[in-house]
Amino acid sequence: DQQVKQNSPSLSVQEGRISILNCDYTNSMFDYFLWYKKYPAEGPTFLISISSIKDKNEDGRFTVFLNKSAKHLSLHIVPSQPGDSAVYFCAASGGNAGNMLTFGGGTRLMVKP
Amino acid sequence: DTEVTQTPKHLVMGMTNKKSLKCEQHMGHRAMYWYKQKAKKPPELMFVYSYEKLSINESVPSRFSPECPNSSLLNLHLHALQPEDSALYLCASSQDRRGGRETQYFGPGTRLLVL
Repeated sequence: DQQVKQNSPSLSVQEGRISILNCDYTNSMFDYFLWYKKYPAEGPTFLISISSIKDKNEDGRFTVFLNKSAKHLSLHIVPSQPGDSAVYFCAASGGNAGNMLTFGGGTRLMVKP
Repeated sequence: DTEVTQTPKHLVMGMTNKKSLKCEQHMGHRAMYWYKQKAKKPPELMFVYSYEKLSINESVPSRFSPECPNSSLLNLHLHALQPEDSALYLCASSQDRRGGRETQYFGPGTRLLVL
């Protein structure tokens, strides 16, 4: 049973517009959530995280929103740039999993010039 | 500095070969991880070292043998691999604080091809 799901395998956005990537989780014990960006044949790069005591965290063009009641988080990228084209993974940790990360399946973002 | 380095970048090996993957971090992190990633899939945890001791082995076949010589280094020894073991092997590290809520930082990976 997938505890972390990214239901959109791909997303296409025009340069300059907002990209919104979504992630749902089922384990209510998760208390820390992360987004990673991955280019082909490279390791995931940490982008931004959020603790369950917050509902929003912002870092430059990247904002993560957490809705605990809905067990949903989203990553907003504004404005989107062609260099943002990559696969984005959300991950969660906490509860019985401790520091172990449970990953979603990933969403491929394509930003068109 | 959040850099994790891995060598080699690429590796091709036969099914009878013995090779090793290496990982290094100088962030003072005390937890280090090996992951395997297949194309279009998320990373899959293999091993976790905490304070240089193996704490988690996710039922990985014995042809993969991890080693943590010191707090900065992590090796993965490979022997008698199968073609289905071809994948991107990722190393990661984190602080290993007791309170959790930790960020893992990943290396660039080793692209392994088993012939």
